Amino acid sequence: GAGVSQTPSNKVTEKGKYVELRCDPISGHTALYWYRQSLGQGPEFLIYFQGTGAADDSGLPNDRFFAVRPEGSVSTLKIQRTERGDSAVYLCASSFSGGGINEQFFGPGTRLTVL
Amino acid sequence: SQKIEQNSEALNIQEGKTATLTCNYTNYSPAYLQWYRQDPGRGPVFLLLIRENEKEKRKERLKVTFDTTLKQSLFHITASQPADSATYLCALDLYGNNRLAFGKGNQVVVIP
Repeated sequence: GAGVSQTPSNKVTEKGKYVELRCDPISGHTALYWYRQSLGQGPEFLIYFQGTGAADDSGLPNDRFFAVRPEGSVSTLKIQRTERGDSAVYLCASSFSGGGINEQFFGPGTRLTVL
Repeated sequence: SQKIEQNSEALNIQEGKTATLTCNYTNYSPAYLQWYRQDPGRGPVFLLLIRENEKEKRKERLKVTFDTTLKQSLFHITASQPADSATYLCALDLYGNNRLAFGKGNQVVVIP
């Protein structure tokens, strides 16, 4: 079956621009996570959705970052007024349920470069 | 604040030998710990999960131990193969909602 997909795979933008990154989770997975990974680092948690609602958004670095999951499936991570420091790989993961212990399935990531 | 430490130096190992990686953590008492594999340009792939009341877990050529007193997990790849070359990440669930905190990862290079 299909895994987690993310689009675009690469995004190059200029400082100050707005970007949207999309995540299609595995069908039937109710929990969805966004992480950010900088070069040489492990993934860093950003936000977690259980269904349509953001159950934990404490990892979002500031109010320029926002994510939605309006129908409990596809999610979009939105970054306003991008800065060079936002350059990283943005990873999405999904799991069957956020409660209990569940394996997370990661997508390939979107590499964001802010010039 | 909590910290998860993995050796930053790459581990170069001869094919057929056992690779051993270490994950140390501080200021936290996780109920379980996970190990992931990450290849260049790809997302992490789940390998193994070990709970706090389990001393050891195995899956094929992989073995994980978990010492909650030492706050340490060891990850072993036995009879290593070149295809095992990748970065291995340990991860802790911070708040019981699968919000994972990852170490930096440890690269393994298996030399044929």
